[in-house]
Amino acid sequence: QITLKESGPTLVKPTQTLTLTCTFSGFSLSTSGVGVGWIRQPPGKALEWLALIYWDDDKRYSPSLKSRLTITKDTSKNQVVLTMTNMDPVDTATYYCAHRLRGYTVFDLWGRGTLVTVSS
Amino acid sequence: EIVLTQSPGTLSLSPGERATLSCRASQSVSSSYLAWYQQKPGQAPRLLIYGASSRATGIPDRFSGSGSGTDFTLTISRLEPEDFAVYYCQQYGSSPTFGQGTKVEIK
Repeated sequence: QITLKESGPTLVKPTQTLTLTCTFSGFSLSTSGVGVGWIRQPPGKALEWLALIYWDDDKRYSPSLKSRLTITKDTSKNQVVLTMTNMDPVDTATYYCAHRLRGYTVFDLWGRGTLVTVSS
Repeated sequence: EIVLTQSPGTLSLSPGERATLSCRASQSVSSSYLAWYQQKPGQAPRLLIYGASSRATGIPDRFSGSGSGTDFTLTISRLEPEDFAVYYCQQYGSSPTFGQGTKVEIK
């Protein structure tokens, strides 16, 4: 059974760096074809894809946020970490990590999400 | 960036009725790399359809997807009470993007 869980701060101040951790079980990020992505959703708004990391350490980022994002993996800990620099109140959202369906850049299993509020 | 426009914004229907949701892309989506998700309040999205028409594991056959190029459709043949939710399309032919969502509400 695959599970994913997001963790990190619930409140960050403007200009700070956000670090979120996705801890997963039921699969390995060292297995060919596997990927984990991050998607966010501001309150009452639509989904926005942020980043994706593959088993071979290939990384993809949203073009509009690429300069602020870094995604890394720790295969031994079954974790994926997303950092986002220079946080702003518009970055207030629920942040989800999700398992990539092998062979497709779609997300078949999701964590429950973590709400991050950006406020001074 | 490919922009996805979903219509209508809200669909008001009764249980048992047929729902037809549209997703239009600003440019052609290569190889029908289009997916649909369902999201209920307070929950994470659930993958329904990928590759424009392939149902994800465990998805009932009342959900079907069709389309190619720039025009895609999600059809729910007979609405069940648990189907009232928000639906998002997502393209992955290029850098992934999502539509703004269609809310299916009880009439």
